Amino acid sequence: NAGVTQTPKFRILKIGQSMTLQCTQDMNHNYMYWYRQDPGMGLKLIYYSVGAGITDKGEVPNGYNVSRSTTEDFPLRLELAAPSQTSVYFCASSLRDRVAHQPQHFGDGTRLSIL
Amino acid sequence: DQQVKQNSPSLSVQEGRISILNCDYTNSMFDYFLWYKKYPAEGPTFLISISSIKDKNEDGRFTVFLNKSAKHLSLHIVPSQPGDSAVYFCAASAFGNQFYFGTGTSLTVIP
Repeated sequence: NAGVTQTPKFRILKIGQSMTLQCTQDMNHNYMYWYRQDPGMGLKLIYYSVGAGITDKGEVPNGYNVSRSTTEDFPLRLELAAPSQTSVYFCASSLRDRVAHQPQHFGDGTRLSIL
Repeated sequence: DQQVKQNSPSLSVQEGRISILNCDYTNSMFDYFLWYKKYPAEGPTFLISISSIKDKNEDGRFTVFLNKSAKHLSLHIVPSQPGDSAVYFCAASAFGNQFYFGTGTSLTVIP
């Protein structure tokens, strides 16, 4: 029972490089989210998606891009890595309908360092 | 602007005693509140939630209390166990798509 899977677990990038953080879920959840967590801080929402083909910005979207071509996958793209993007990135998913909230299920994170 | 605040970065409790973790929020539109538990090198895992139409929700050793007038919620763990040692995050959402997280409280349960 995989749940939410994130790859890679760790990565070191040089300033200006680009990379894609992968996220996939096998729970047929319609909502997916990307968060970042900086030391001593809570999780900040970067982008989210309410279904395939639909994405929207969260609190801290600058420097990132996302796409949602399938229900299962929600990759996060960093185009020009900057030291300020050093963080731990969490992907999450949830099943939402019009009536009820549901809790989010999280992956184990990607620890990204930009030097 | 931090809409969800956890003002205690850490808490230590003896095994068997009660742990009380607190959370304050500023947005009166929040209607759904959650607590997550996080171990090192893992993602947060859902613990318990409460809707704004309730003031208490209980699940085993875990109880969440909501005081809407004070914009305050708390998580009670009774009795506390060493395995409860983790970082606890509260989160809140208005009926919409975004969740707002507090900065976390690190709980240590001393055997």
